[in-house]
Amino acid sequence: EDQVTQSPEALRLQEGESSSLNCSYTVSGLRGLFWYRQDPGKGPEFLFTLYSAGEEKEKERLKATLTKKESFLHITAPKPEDSATYLCAVPGGNQFYFGTGTSLTVIP
Amino acid sequence: NAGVTQTPKFRVLKTGQSMTLLCAQDMNHEYMYWYRQDPGMGLRLIHYSVGEGTTAKGEVPDGYNVSRLKKQNFLLGLESAAPSQTSVYFCASSYYRDSPHGYTFGSGTRLTVV
Repeated sequence: EDQVTQSPEALRLQEGESSSLNCSYTVSGLRGLFWYRQDPGKGPEFLFTLYSAGEEKEKERLKATLTKKESFLHITAPKPEDSATYLCAVPGGNQFYFGTGTSLTVIP
Repeated sequence: NAGVTQTPKFRVLKTGQSMTLLCAQDMNHEYMYWYRQDPGMGLRLIHYSVGEGTTAKGEVPDGYNVSRLKKQNFLLGLESAAPSQTSVYFCASSYYRDSPHGYTFGSGTRLTVV
């Protein structure tokens, strides 16, 4: 069964304190791994798509990487505006399977 | 661009009442989806559509019906609401099944069934 697991559930960082979020997946025939950001009271917003092991994508302070079994979202020198829930998802059949997310809080 | 618009944003229903959630997109997307999001369970697919006039069941379809009479609209109906349907509902759309740009989501409808 296709599955996506994210860790940790919650993460509190001081402003400027770098860290990583994990997304592990089990899916037969990966058709991409997707990262989203979700702010409170809003829908998820697309960030990155990764397709093959070793691939990396960057956007401002965020860098996503992919291995054969997991993906990492690295946050370098985060700012309070990076506070949000980060979701990863993999396609399976005609839908996406979403993880439960990591809630990131960056303290000034 | 408006993107994906959901109405209403909030609703309180009594058990047994019915309602329809409306999703409209202006991006000419073929695929549209209804998800529900519950604490600790993530986003779960209710129903989806791969084009005008088509619908299919997702992971948690019981108690819901959908219709896609026009390409830009995807309606989610609750015929007889139950407290277990208290959730945040998100509509999403995409050009095709594995679009590299992922889904575009609406801002959600918070539904409480009492």
